[in-house]
Amino acid sequence: QEKVQQSPESLIVPEGAMVSLNCSFSDSASQSIWWYQQHPGKGPKALISIFSNGNKKEGRLTVYLNRASLHVSLHIKDSQPSDSAVYLCAVSMATGGNNKLTFGQGTVLSVIP
Amino acid sequence: DPKIIQKPKYLVAVTGSEKILICEQYLGHNAMYWYRQSAKKPLEFMFSYSYQKLMDNQTASSRFQPQSSKKNHLDLQITALKPDDSATYFCASSGGGAGTGQLYFGEGSKLTVL
Repeated sequence: QEKVQQSPESLIVPEGAMVSLNCSFSDSASQSIWWYQQHPGKGPKALISIFSNGNKKEGRLTVYLNRASLHVSLHIKDSQPSDSAVYLCAVSMATGGNNKLTFGQGTVLSVIP
Repeated sequence: DPKIIQKPKYLVAVTGSEKILICEQYLGHNAMYWYRQSAKKPLEFMFSYSYQKLMDNQTASSRFQPQSSKKNHLDLQITALKPDDSATYFCASSGGGAGTGQLYFGEGSKLTVL
């Protein structure tokens, strides 16, 4: 069964800092890797995904995937207080028409003004 | 406006009772899911439905029964409630084909079992 581990558990940074979040997964046959953002009392919201080795940039977000080392990272440039949330790494294991995600335990990010 | 509506947002139940969690999505998606998030575990997959048919069930207990009366509805019936069932239950949907497309989540139904 797929296992997803995230680090660090929590992170406090000043506004404007670069944020780096890490995620390791166990199954090299995994499909896409997703990053979700979850604010208190809300459902997770998809931020960015990656399938191929390498990196992908969208706005202030950059994600790096290394399938050989089973590692993915998310970098948030010029962090804002509104970025304060829990960040969830999720691995998609698509089988038989079913898009099932396995989530990590999350990283709690606090951006201090 | 929320595109995935979950009701109720909060509910309290006594051990041994039964509750139904409601989910409606207005995204036009064909696939719907239930996930559970408890204080001690990561967000975990429970069920997936595609075109109102069960695709996958990762819930060991038969006390959890999804019900799809319409294409955009996927309710979750929980019987013989236990304190360990206390969690926030999220409904989600996706519109892509097999293995594609992001999941869109509702805001959750927080269940407390006393």
